[in-house]
Amino acid sequence: DIQMTQSPSTLSASVGDRVTITCRASQSISNWLAWYQQKPGKAPKLLIYKASSLESGVPSRFSGSGSGTEFTLTISSLQPDDFASYYCQQYNTYPWTFGQGTKVEIK
Amino acid sequence: EVQLVESGGGLVQPGGSLRLSCAASGFTFSSYAMNWVRQAPGKGLEWVSAISGSGDSTYYADSVKGRFTISRDNSKNTLYLQMNSLRAEDTAVYYCAKDRVAGIGDAFDIWGLGTMVTVSS
Repeated sequence: DIQMTQSPSTLSASVGDRVTITCRASQSISNWLAWYQQKPGKAPKLLIYKASSLESGVPSRFSGSGSGTEFTLTISSLQPDDFASYYCQQYNTYPWTFGQGTKVEIK
Repeated sequence: EVQLVESGGGLVQPGGSLRLSCAASGFTFSSYAMNWVRQAPGKGLEWVSAISGSGDSTYYADSVKGRFTISRDNSKNTLYLQMNSLRAEDTAVYYCAKDRVAGIGDAFDIWGLGTMVTVSS
């Protein structure tokens, strides 16, 4: 199975900060990577697909990059609504696998 | 409006069975692969199973293989997850999720609200 490792596990930041979350795959997944945002008690929401494509309706402050085994999710200017948990997911090879998550907290 | 609504969760004893359902609306259900994803209390997301639009192909996480069965009824726009031999570690919120594009093997663009499964004596 492909292992997905996110870092950091927790991130403390302030409104307006630029935030970067990293996701590493245990083997190459090309660009078959998605990023999701999840708020407490809610279902996940798709932000980015195919590593760098922004899902419709998602603010442009979110961006994704990378290919192969190294990927990043960047929030250019953190907004109050962005404090949440973020997960990467590979969909290159079954079984699909998620990273362990990154919680973005208010500093 | 594209919508997924799960049902069927509840409290079950270890070794018991439960069948989850996911009612879909607002899109051509038979064209899209569908998935089950779960989240144990306070933990991260775990993909459980997927099924092709036709239902001919199914995929499972190792943790549920041989115990869970995914299926779908395209005439009823409904996805199912039959869960047998349940264990305490199966306790989680179970979400159904739709593939973003028709075919199979893509990110999940629509999620249900989830249904809670608790395995406990």
